[in-house]
Amino acid sequence: AQKVTQAQTEISVVEKEDVTLDCVYETRDTTYYLFWYKQPPSGELVFLIRRNSFDEQNEISGRYSWNFQKSTSSFNFTITASQVVDSAVYFCALSEFSGFGNEKLTFGTGTRLTIIP
Amino acid sequence: SQTIHQWPATLVQPVGSPLSLECTVEGTSNPNLYWYRQAAGRGLQLLFYSVGIGQISSEVPQNLSASRPQDRQFILSSKKLLLSDSGFYLCAWGVAGVYEQYFGPGTRLTVT
Repeated sequence: AQKVTQAQTEISVVEKEDVTLDCVYETRDTTYYLFWYKQPPSGELVFLIRRNSFDEQNEISGRYSWNFQKSTSSFNFTITASQVVDSAVYFCALSEFSGFGNEKLTFGTGTRLTIIP
Repeated sequence: SQTIHQWPATLVQPVGSPLSLECTVEGTSNPNLYWYRQAAGRGLQLLFYSVGIGQISSEVPQNLSASRPQDRQFILSSKKLLLSDSGFYLCAWGVAGVYEQYFGPGTRLTVT
């Protein structure tokens, strides 16, 4: 069975510091997808990124970057020069490739990030 | 562009009362639809998902049921609410073969 672990329950950093959110996953499939979502105080989950298991290239989008390492089953998320607007709960998720009609996500328990002004 | 709506935004219901939460999606056809529950301070639990009208898969045996009467409408129901049904209910949609899901604004349910 697939599993996603976010060991960091809560993190607080001072504004402009860099912060990394950890995500470790377990799956028996060789083809799978990894995701990060942001949940601001309003509650709606916002999709940030999807990575395929066969593409280990790191990705950067503005102040956000993602480090995918299959050797350690990790998909970590780094925010550079954090801002107060980054305060939210961040979820990592996994979906095994199981064909049409079975596209389900398994979520981690989330990391609450607080940026202190 | 695609938009997902949920209502009501908040709801306070007594134990034993019925429940109906509605979710609709605009701007796409034949989406996969999902209901999740998020208990306070916890992760997301998938409750139901649907790949088409009248097709519902249940992930967790419970006091809730789901229906999909129209292509872009997904309804979560209960005949008698329990205290443990309190939580934040999120609807999401996705495209078959594309694994990311897009979430609605959620309904915060408090059962008293």
